[in-house]
Amino acid sequence: AQRVTQPEKLLSVFKGAPVELKCNYSYSGSPELFWYVQYSRQRLQLLLRHISRESIKGFTADLNKGETSFHLKKPFAQEEDSAMYYCALRARQGGSQGNLIFGKGTKLSVKP
Amino acid sequence: DAGVTQSPTHLIKTRGQQVTLRCSPISGHKSVSWYQQVLGQGPQFIFQYYEKEERGRGNFPDRFSARQFPNYSSELNVNALLLGDSALYLCASSLDAGLGNQPQHFGDGTRLSIL
Repeated sequence: AQRVTQPEKLLSVFKGAPVELKCNYSYSGSPELFWYVQYSRQRLQLLLRHISRESIKGFTADLNKGETSFHLKKPFAQEEDSAMYYCALRARQGGSQGNLIFGKGTKLSVKP
Repeated sequence: DAGVTQSPTHLIKTRGQQVTLRCSPISGHKSVSWYQQVLGQGPQFIFQYYEKEERGRGNFPDRFSARQFPNYSSELNVNALLLGDSALYLCASSLDAGLGNQPQHFGDGTRLSIL
């Protein structure tokens, strides 16, 4: 089965603290994983994807195939990071092939 | 670049009615995918069209249908609306059908409320 799990509905941290948003996936094969972010009153936008291996707005995410995880990390959180974060897996099988399977999302709240 | 545009932004319907949602992809994008996002959940895939042909279908009833036009814009139709169809409907466009590693870009969505 192809599935994405984000175990935390809400994550609250103070400004300057490290952040880790958890994402676990279920997939047989080589996964293609994404993090999307939705700021208040804005559209869902791509934050980063594992094949690019880039850092966007200070965020990084490493694919760990052994633990089937793709956690999103930032060493020092900023108030403007407060948003809804979704982890997504590209489906490679079935009717959803080529499209995204999303987790339920984690709301990150960064307090001053 | 205007990005993906969707219309209308909000819509209120009653049970049993029919609704049509519209999407214009980013210029040059030939693939359009539709997602349903119920409150508190992540988006769930409904349909994908690429080059005017259906390329993918999620686990939704036959009341849901879609099509893509020669200019690559798309419509999502939902018949016999149920209360459970209340959701944000998102459209995403991409350069390819999804197997060439091109990301999907989302519109603002249409908020559909069923009374």
